[in-house]
Amino acid sequence: ETGVTQTPRHLVMGMTNKKSLKCEQHLGHNAMYWYKQSAKKPLELMFVYSLEERVENNSVPSRFSPECPNSSHLFLHLHTLQPEDSALYLCASSRGSNSDEQFFGPGTRLTVL
Amino acid sequence: GNSVTQMEGPVTLSEEAFLTINCTYTATGYPSLFWYVQYPGEGLQLLLKATKADDKGSNKGFEATYRKETTSFHLEKGSVQVSDSAVYFCALRPVTGGGNKLTFGTGTQLKVEL
Repeated sequence: ETGVTQTPRHLVMGMTNKKSLKCEQHLGHNAMYWYKQSAKKPLELMFVYSLEERVENNSVPSRFSPECPNSSHLFLHLHTLQPEDSALYLCASSRGSNSDEQFFGPGTRLTVL
Repeated sequence: GNSVTQMEGPVTLSEEAFLTINCTYTATGYPSLFWYVQYPGEGLQLLLKATKADDKGSNKGFEATYRKETTSFHLEKGSVQVSDSAVYFCALRPVTGGGNKLTFGTGTQLKVEL
């Protein structure tokens, strides 16, 4: 498998559930990102990891908890979400935290009931 | 702060029509500018970029010129195809202090019909 993959592609969860989103990149990159894409709003950068260290956290609520166990994998742990958290969550990677091009996965469509 | 403004969509065109999607930005200095494209069910892909004033980025028949005087980076294509139907995002990366933090516009959906 090549590029950036995300699982699951679709997720429906209740507000009391705990779930995790997974991202894997097969590009040998050192930086990984989580974005939130909501309708009619710009993509929102949530977290940035460089060499497995978190370098950016854009005031994201604590009900979103990222984890980067190695440079190829990135998780987003979800708990006690709200309906307004329903969105497309995109993972991306880049060669380094200062390289121009980011490569995106297809996203996980999350619905919170 | 930095921001990107795109024209609202959807933009609906007939095949072989000329395309313009407007993008203007607010940032200090000379940011790098990008167009990303998102095809249905897929993630964003880099379409083209420009890193300094008057640079022209081009790819797959699409072009955009970095205009510092008008703080714009409009996307153009001379003859669109049905396969160009997608959502197009304009984005900037600040010149300093932002790492690789991209600021995106809201996206413009393009629909091309036969």
